[in-house]
Amino acid sequence: TQLLEQSPQFLSIQEGENLTVYCNSSSVFSSLQWYRQEPGEGPVLLVTVVTGGEVKKLKRLTFQFGDARKDSSLHITAAQTGDTGLYLCAGEDYSAGGTSYGKLTFGQGTILTVHP
Amino acid sequence: NAGVTQTPKFRILKIGQSMTLQCAQDMNHNYMYWYRQDPGMGLKLIYYSVGAGITDKGEVPNGYNVSRSTTEDFPLRLELAAPSQTSVYFCASSYGTSGWETQYFGPGTRLLVL
Repeated sequence: TQLLEQSPQFLSIQEGENLTVYCNSSSVFSSLQWYRQEPGEGPVLLVTVVTGGEVKKLKRLTFQFGDARKDSSLHITAAQTGDTGLYLCAGEDYSAGGTSYGKLTFGQGTILTVHP
Repeated sequence: NAGVTQTPKFRILKIGQSMTLQCAQDMNHNYMYWYRQDPGMGLKLIYYSVGAGITDKGEVPNGYNVSRSTTEDFPLRLELAAPSQTSVYFCASSYGTSGWETQYFGPGTRLLVL
């Protein structure tokens, strides 16, 4: 099974600060997704990156896929209290070879708390 | 559209009991998945299905069974519940035309085995 490691595991910051969450693996992923999960709810997709070196922006969130497609980062500019939540990265799992059938390997998540 | 629905929302089981977690989607998605999420951890894939009548094991299938008789429904069966199965269970679905499609998750079922 391919592994994804996220860091940091916990992040507590003040509103207005910037932050970066990292997602790293020794395996190559054909695509990587970032999800946000709020307490008591299921994860919700934020973005999918599929090309090495790709950068995607979603308002104050910037996502980057490493050139070798083994790592990714999520950068939030001027964090707001509404950004509080669990952020998960997930890579398409080809561990069985051939088609992935959309199977995902998830990182352990980063719990972000933004204080007013 | 209701999206992905899961029942029950919360359940307490005694060791050795059995139960079925229900999952339904109304988006006509081909692919469906069951994940479990332990405290402070990411999600781990239990079983998945690529269409009615077709299921396969994920990373952590032991102690669970699934069936998919219709496109809409994908129930997860726990036989002989054990404390290690205490977790939050999420069902998800996607269209299934490419590997990196959006997966839509249900709200989860919290299971406590005592």
